[in-house]
Amino acid sequence: GESVGLHLPTLSVQEGDNSIINCAYSNSASDYFIWYKQESGKGPQFIIDIRSNMDKRQGQRVTVLLNKTVKHLSLQIAATQPGDSAVYFCAENKANRDDKIIFGKGTRLHILP
Amino acid sequence: DAMVIQNPRYQVTQFGKPVTLSCSQTLNHNVMYWYQQKSSQAPKLLFHYYDKDFNNEADTPDNFQSRRPNTSFCFLDIRSPGLGDAAMYLCATSRGRGRTEAFFGQGTRLTVV
Repeated sequence: GESVGLHLPTLSVQEGDNSIINCAYSNSASDYFIWYKQESGKGPQFIIDIRSNMDKRQGQRVTVLLNKTVKHLSLQIAATQPGDSAVYFCAENKANRDDKIIFGKGTRLHILP
Repeated sequence: DAMVIQNPRYQVTQFGKPVTLSCSQTLNHNVMYWYQQKSSQAPKLLFHYYDKDFNNEADTPDNFQSRRPNTSFCFLDIRSPGLGDAAMYLCATSRGRGRTEAFFGQGTRLTVV
């Protein structure tokens, strides 16, 4: 069945270092992937997305990498700041077939001073 | 300006007493979603609408119903809330059909007493 999961539930990173959050997915039919950031008590906030015809996409301080061969994607955050503390979810969608957005388990990112 | 608005932010209901959560959007998006999120877990899709077409997830309990009277509004009805239904309920919207970046509201935290 469909599943989107994350390798690590908690990640602690020194302020100023780069963070890498990983996600594995099992549904090869998925062709659109989204990273969300969720701060405590708030709804998920869109960070960046990538379609399956791409391997890499960059935003402001964030980069998403997609490896379709091993069904893996990652979110890289450059120069991590205290405001990056949150839970990060990857989500998947079969963009051309349905509108469902299925979330993975999430990784909590702790920023160490 | 808020684009997906959920009311109320906090809702307390009695065990077994029907409760309705509401969501409105100013984005004129085709798709509206309802997710349930329990503590330290990923959002779980309950159902979604594409326009007036309702799509229920197979594992969504019958206790959960939804209504979408127009493009802007969507309601989540819990007919007989149990203690296990205490959670954050998230509403989201997207344009759909391959343009599924979803925008989330701030959520309604439901407490069942």
